[in-house]
Amino acid sequence: SAVISQKPSRDICQRGTSLTIQCQVDSQVTMMFWYRQQPGQSLTLIATANQGSEATYESGFVIDKFPISRPNLTFSTLTVSNMSPEDSSIYLCSVEDRFRVAGGPGDEQFFGPGTRLTVL
Amino acid sequence: EDQVTQSPEALRLQEGESSSLNCSYTVSGLRGLFWYRQDPGKGPEFLFTLYSAGEEKEKERLKATLTKKESFLHITAPKPEDSATYLCAVHRGKFQFGAGTQVVVTP
Repeated sequence: SAVISQKPSRDICQRGTSLTIQCQVDSQVTMMFWYRQQPGQSLTLIATANQGSEATYESGFVIDKFPISRPNLTFSTLTVSNMSPEDSSIYLCSVEDRFRVAGGPGDEQFFGPGTRLTVL
Repeated sequence: EDQVTQSPEALRLQEGESSSLNCSYTVSGLRGLFWYRQDPGKGPEFLFTLYSAGEEKEKERLKATLTKKESFLHITAPKPEDSATYLCAVHRGKFQFGAGTQVVVTP
């Protein structure tokens, strides 16, 4: 499976500031995803990021608040803008590794270790 | 509206005490059902994909099964290292995750 790293692993930020989270994959992948996991909750999809096109955002998430870049097939960034304490969460990137998993169509998603964000 | 419901929310087991976790879903056009394990402070780790009713997958002490409305994750003779939150997700163009079952296995 793909190896995924995220930076930073954690950060503590002041309200009103912005943080950019990086996601690096060790192989080229078409589809990358950004999720949010609020304390004690499950994962919620923020957006899908395909290389060469604008990110597609889920209901409740907007580009002004969560701008995403996808400059190539191995890298993406998510920015959390104008942060408030409600943005305190774990942010996870994932990839759909269509060609590496045997025995199926390869729809599986593989996740990075996450970025734990605390906003004061 | 698509829904994914996991039960129980939490499960406490003695080492060696087998049990099952449930993931029920109301999704049309299912492309797959996925099980993940998540340890505290880490991203979800992929376990299984199931595509059609009747399908079963096994990995060590874990076995996943799928029907038309639900999936079960059976844990046979669990060990303390099986303690984690187990998440299921359904795929219908995008992933939708359940809330998870937190499993604690005590020696």
